[in-house]
Amino acid sequence: NFMLTQPHSVSESPGKTVTISCTRSSGSIASNYVQWYRQRPGSSPTIVIYEDNQRPSGVPGRFSGSIDSSSNSASLTISGLKTEDEADYYCQSYDSSDHFVFGTGTKVTVL
Amino acid sequence: QVQLQESGPGLVKPSETLSLTCTVSGGSVSSGSYYWSWIRQPPGKGLQWIGYMYYSGSTNYNPSLKSRVTISIDTSKNQFSLKLSSVTAADTAMYYCVRGYFTKWFDPWGQGTLVTVSS
Repeated sequence: NFMLTQPHSVSESPGKTVTISCTRSSGSIASNYVQWYRQRPGSSPTIVIYEDNQRPSGVPGRFSGSIDSSSNSASLTISGLKTEDEADYYCQSYDSSDHFVFGTGTKVTVL
Repeated sequence: QVQLQESGPGLVKPSETLSLTCTVSGGSVSSGSYYWSWIRQPPGKGLQWIGYMYYSGSTNYNPSLKSRVTISIDTSKNQFSLKLSSVTAADTAMYYCVRGYFTKWFDPWGQGTLVTVSS
């Protein structure tokens, strides 16, 4: 099976933009949808991006997702960073057998 | 709005079977539009998909856990369950029940229940 590797942590000041990468170890990143979840301390994960770049209702437009086949990675971008965005973020995808894989997780710190 | 709630023992002895139940409210486990999953998270670590079941009875499990996992559905109680046999300390984790969409994303998640494996 494949792995999804994320940076351990990223940090930025309020109002700035952060981008979190999610690199697939084998197989094409574009062949299966990528999702992104936010997990605030002590809480369950919640979906922020599904099907590569779709935002569920209630998730602000500051959150966006994209796929880059050249680097075989997906990215989550958070613009206009707010203190409430401080959380762990996980990417997720699956293989042809419907086995699901989560990324290693990235801690976002708002300075 | 669909809500999921896990229940079950918080402490399980090594070599025994972990059993958890997820009660679904505001929706039906018999809906043909979703599948019903379990995901776990060891303390301080990342997320691991355990498996899912569709209301029709079809299942799919994480290959690394497949020999020890059983997921079942009780449509009369609107619940689904997880059994994990021969547990060790490595199975200590927060266990989440989750609804899955056919386009492969999970929402909503239950609040989670912490299961500790210890004698």
